Amino acid sequence: KQEVTQIPAALSVPEGENLVLNCSFTDSAIYNLQWFRQDPGKGLTSLLLIQSSQREQTSGRLNASLDKSSGRSTLYIAASQPGDSATYLCAVRKETSGSRLTFGEGTQLTVNP
Amino acid sequence: DAGIIQSPKHEVTEMGQTVTLRCEPIFGHNFLFWYRDTFVQGLELLSYFRSRSIIDNAGMPTERFSAERPDGSFSTLKIQPAEQGDSAVYVCASRWHNWGNEQYFGPGTRLTVT
Repeated sequence: KQEVTQIPAALSVPEGENLVLNCSFTDSAIYNLQWFRQDPGKGLTSLLLIQSSQREQTSGRLNASLDKSSGRSTLYIAASQPGDSATYLCAVRKETSGSRLTFGEGTQLTVNP
Repeated sequence: DAGIIQSPKHEVTEMGQTVTLRCEPIFGHNFLFWYRDTFVQGLELLSYFRSRSIIDNAGMPTERFSAERPDGSFSTLKIQPAEQGDSAVYVCASRWHNWGNEQYFGPGTRLTVT
């Protein structure tokens, strides 16, 4: 059974700092991995999707890497801003068509001005 | 507690037909979310409600998609007319209150448009 773990559970940083969020999964047989952002009162916002054949994806100040063999992914946020404050979730999909996502429990990020 | 109920579990329809998917959230949950889940694009938010009001439907791919939650309990997602590219799993989620982070996901409805 796939288990997804995110460390740390919570993180508080000053504005402008670069930071890394970690996601690990126990079953390396994944099809893809997706990072989400969750804000209070809103739905999940997809940030980056990395296919199993890819090593990283970038969008603006965000960079996500994937090391499938070791079961790890990182989300790098450059020059953090208060607006980045949210809960960040990673989710993996197994290598079977139609399989559902398995979510980690999230990292709650606070960026202080 | 009963979980989220989505119906039907599977829907196979032809292009041009109208599809209506239904979601009954966990009782008392004020927020209700519709997501589309595809193997290629992953999970994407379509729209969501607070009570009976739609808060955000910017994720709806086209005007062929519409969602309603007439009395603040169950919700329907309608696709009219359906196209082959709409084939996906449509997942409903709900949350009790504004500041909670945990969403509860339904089992999804697998839609196949032929």
